[in-house]
Amino acid sequence: KQEVTQIPAALSVPEGENLVLNCSFTDSAIYNLQWFRQDPGKGLTSLLLIQSSQREQTSGRLNASLDKSSGRSTLYIAASQPGDSATYLCAVRREGRLAFGKGNQVVVIP
Amino acid sequence: DAGVTQSPTHLIKTRGQQVTLRCSPKSGHDTVSWYQQALGQGPQFIFQYYEEEERQRGNFPDRFSGHQFPNYSSELNVNALLLGDSALYLCASSRWGVNQPQHFGDGTRLSIL
Repeated sequence: KQEVTQIPAALSVPEGENLVLNCSFTDSAIYNLQWFRQDPGKGLTSLLLIQSSQREQTSGRLNASLDKSSGRSTLYIAASQPGDSATYLCAVRREGRLAFGKGNQVVVIP
Repeated sequence: DAGVTQSPTHLIKTRGQQVTLRCSPKSGHDTVSWYQQALGQGPQFIFQYYEEEERQRGNFPDRFSGHQFPNYSSELNVNALLLGDSALYLCASSRWGVNQPQHFGDGTRLSIL
């Protein structure tokens, strides 16, 4: 059974600092890994998708890396802003389903 | 271009009742998946529908059932509701294929009294 762990569970950073969020998974036989953002009481917004053959993906201030062999992914958010405050979830794709971690709850302090 | 839409947004039921949740996929998408997210947890996969058939199922009892219609919209039905069914139910749509990104709706918040 695929297990996805996200560390740390919660963190606070001052505005302008870079954010580093970690995700690990136990079964490396994945098709892809997707990072999502979730605001309180809301659905999930897709941020980045990395295919299993890729090492990283970038979109604006966001960069995600994937090391499939070691079962790890990292999401970097450069120059954090108060609007980045949210819960960030990583999910690995195995066949038709996504397996999620519990998320990193982020607060960016102005 | 409308994204994934779910209805209703909130629902309150009592134990033993039955509930139906609805999902309209993003335009151009033909595959719908349902997830259950308890408070403070990551979403858990319930099942996936494509071509009006259940293609994959997670570890949920038979009380959870679904349907997909010819226009790709989908319903999630839950019978004999338990207190533990209280959660945010999320619908995700995509094009068929394992490398297609899934797009989520805002969910239905189900509370069981």
